[in-house]
Amino acid sequence: AQSVSQHNHHVILSEAASLELGCNYSYGGTVNLFWYVQYPGQHLQLLLKYFSGDPLVKGIKGFEAEFIKSKFSFNLRKPSVQWSDTAEYFCAVNAKAGGFKTIFGAGTRLFVKA
Amino acid sequence: NAGVTQTPKFQVLKTGQSMTLQCAQDMNHNSMYWYRQDPGMGLRLIYYSASEGTTDKGEVPNGYNVSRLNKREFSLRLESAAPSQTSVYFCASSTKAGFTGELFFGEGSRLTVL
Repeated sequence: AQSVSQHNHHVILSEAASLELGCNYSYGGTVNLFWYVQYPGQHLQLLLKYFSGDPLVKGIKGFEAEFIKSKFSFNLRKPSVQWSDTAEYFCAVNAKAGGFKTIFGAGTRLFVKA
Repeated sequence: NAGVTQTPKFQVLKTGQSMTLQCAQDMNHNSMYWYRQDPGMGLRLIYYSASEGTTDKGEVPNGYNVSRLNKREFSLRLESAAPSQTSVYFCASSTKAGFTGELFFGEGSRLTVL
C-alpha cells in the first residue's frame, strides 16, 4: 500500500539546535510533496511545498526541505530552532499513483526547550 | 474572508447516535476533504470531493457518509456513532481537482463518543 513514513514521532531539542525531520514515501512517478505544521491548539498550515524544479525548497520561518527522488525522501530542516517552533509537523504526499489524494504521515511532535 | 469553517467545534455523542459535521469554504475551491486526526496516526483521509457533484472514499470511510451540497459546502455524517470514531475531524479545501496543491484546513471539530 502507498504510504508516508516519518521517522521520529517525538523530538526534543534545545533552542539553537539544528533540526532534521525525516520523511519517506512509497509512491512512484510524479509527486507533490508538502510539510504542514500544527501549533498547539491551532489547525494545520502549510510550511513548504515541492512541485518541481529546484529540489531544495524554502518555506516560512526559516524552514527548508530537500527532495531526493532516488531515496523517495523529503526531509525537513532548520539550522537553529526556536522555542516557538514547538509544534507537530506532518509530511504529506499527493501523487498520481495515489489517485490524487493527499496522504499524511503520522506526524512528529517537536518540543523545543528554552 | 473566513476560509474554511467547520461546525460544531465540540460534540459529545452516545454510542448509536447520529450527527453531521458541517464544512463551508469561501475561497471558491473545487476540492474538499474530510480527515480525522488521531494521536500517533497523523491525518487519515475519510472522504473527498474532487469537484462539485462527486465524492470518493479515502483511507478510512467505514461508518461515514458525505454530501457535497454545493461548491461551498461538504458535510460528514455519522449514522450510528461508535467509540472508535472519537477523534478530531478536519475539513480542508484545495483549488484544483486531481493533482491538487496546498490544502487549507478548518479549525477542527472534536468529537467524543461515549
